[in-house]
Amino acid sequence: DAKTTQPNSMESNEEEPVHLPCNHSTISGTDYIHWYRQLPSQGPEYVIHGLTSNVNNRMASLAIAEDRKSSTLILHRATLRDAAVYYCTRGGADGLTFGKGTHLIIQP
Amino acid sequence: DTGVSQDPRHKITKRGQNVTFRCDPISEHNRLYWYRQTLGQGPEFLTYFQNEAQLEKSRLLSDRFSAERPKGSFSTLEIQRTEQGDSAMYLCASSFGGMNTEAFFGQGTRLTVV
Repeated sequence: DAKTTQPNSMESNEEEPVHLPCNHSTISGTDYIHWYRQLPSQGPEYVIHGLTSNVNNRMASLAIAEDRKSSTLILHRATLRDAAVYYCTRGGADGLTFGKGTHLIIQP
Repeated sequence: DTGVSQDPRHKITKRGQNVTFRCDPISEHNRLYWYRQTLGQGPEFLTYFQNEAQLEKSRLLSDRFSAERPKGSFSTLEIQRTEQGDSAMYLCASSFGGMNTEAFFGQGTRLTVV
């Protein structure tokens, strides 16, 4: 089972960049790397996804290692509204495989 | 269309009763997924549909669970003879295409079995 591994929690200051790491050493060559975030009592919200190349969108950037065994979600300027559980997931033929995620705490 | 809709948002039931949840995906989305999430854990995949065809089922989906997606539109998830271990948040997601596209999640149905 190609699970992902993330730190349980991370803390950052408001208006500073945040780098959230993820290991996915057993990911298959065709699986996408997705990131979602979740607030309490809400469904997960899509953040970004990619296959091999680095990706940017209005929410974040995704840096994927050349060997695809790890990736990093980058929030360029964290705000208090970015406090959530961030999931790095494997996107395969059967859907998304979630780990336990990283609880991101943002200090004002 | 405002996104994926799930009904009810909360359900409390007695052990042994049957429950049914409904998910209305985003209208043009051909894929629909069901996940289960317990406290402190990430969502766990249960099953997914492409249009009306159920293509994959997790081993987590025991014989007491059944899902349908008639006409490839809304979907229902039924749990028969509920057990306390079924207490969880049940999440529905939809996407247009496979895992090279983003999935949109509903707000979930929280089931409590007493």
